[in-house]
Amino acid sequence: NAGVMQNPRHLVRRRGQEARLRCSPVKGHSHVYWYRQLPEEGLKFMVYLQKENIIDESGMPKERFSAEFPKEGPSILRIQQVVRGDSAAYFCATKPATVNTEAFFGQGTRLTVV
Amino acid sequence: GENVEQHPSTLSVQEGDSAVIKCTYSDSASNYFPWYKQELGKRPQLIIDIRSNVGEKKDQRIAVTLNKTAKHFSLHITETQPEDSAVYFCAASWKGGSEKLVFGKGTKLTVNP
Repeated sequence: NAGVMQNPRHLVRRRGQEARLRCSPVKGHSHVYWYRQLPEEGLKFMVYLQKENIIDESGMPKERFSAEFPKEGPSILRIQQVVRGDSAAYFCATKPATVNTEAFFGQGTRLTVV
Repeated sequence: GENVEQHPSTLSVQEGDSAVIKCTYSDSASNYFPWYKQELGKRPQLIIDIRSNVGEKKDQRIAVTLNKTAKHFSLHITETQPEDSAVYFCAASWKGGSEKLVFGKGTKLTVNP
């Protein structure tokens, strides 16, 4: 699980700026999940992607948030026009396509909006 | 959709005592129940999990029990040590669907030396 890489680890943005969070899966993992953790709360599911496809985005806010997982390169979670309420830790978890395998979490990106 | 309730929110025990954390879930389709330990500023780490075809699973000092009928599952930690202090999260998902995890709100466990 140490292979799931997220960057940056810490990100500070001013209100109105864009935040781009990256998640590089373990080699061979084709499934990516993004979760958001508000201070002193549990993790909440945001979006589930496979290569080049969004499978389940039921947890994504309707506006300003988008995610992609291109054929090449990391998965990106993009937050446009950030507001203070977006301040949180954002974790990705990745897994291979094999059924009944576990997802492993990255170290997270801690976004602070000032 | 699935909803997971977790209790207690905080738990303080003396070193050597046992700790029990309980969770309930709402969706009978859920069939996978992992437990995560999260230390301050770190990522959640899977410590034990159980699938719906099993009633109990044990790994050294950690055990998990599942009651499908009542839709609840519990984490048991015996002979607690100060390094067990962390926030523990239960979760539920449906292996066969998107497999997204629905988390409880967490239990902050403090083990006093």
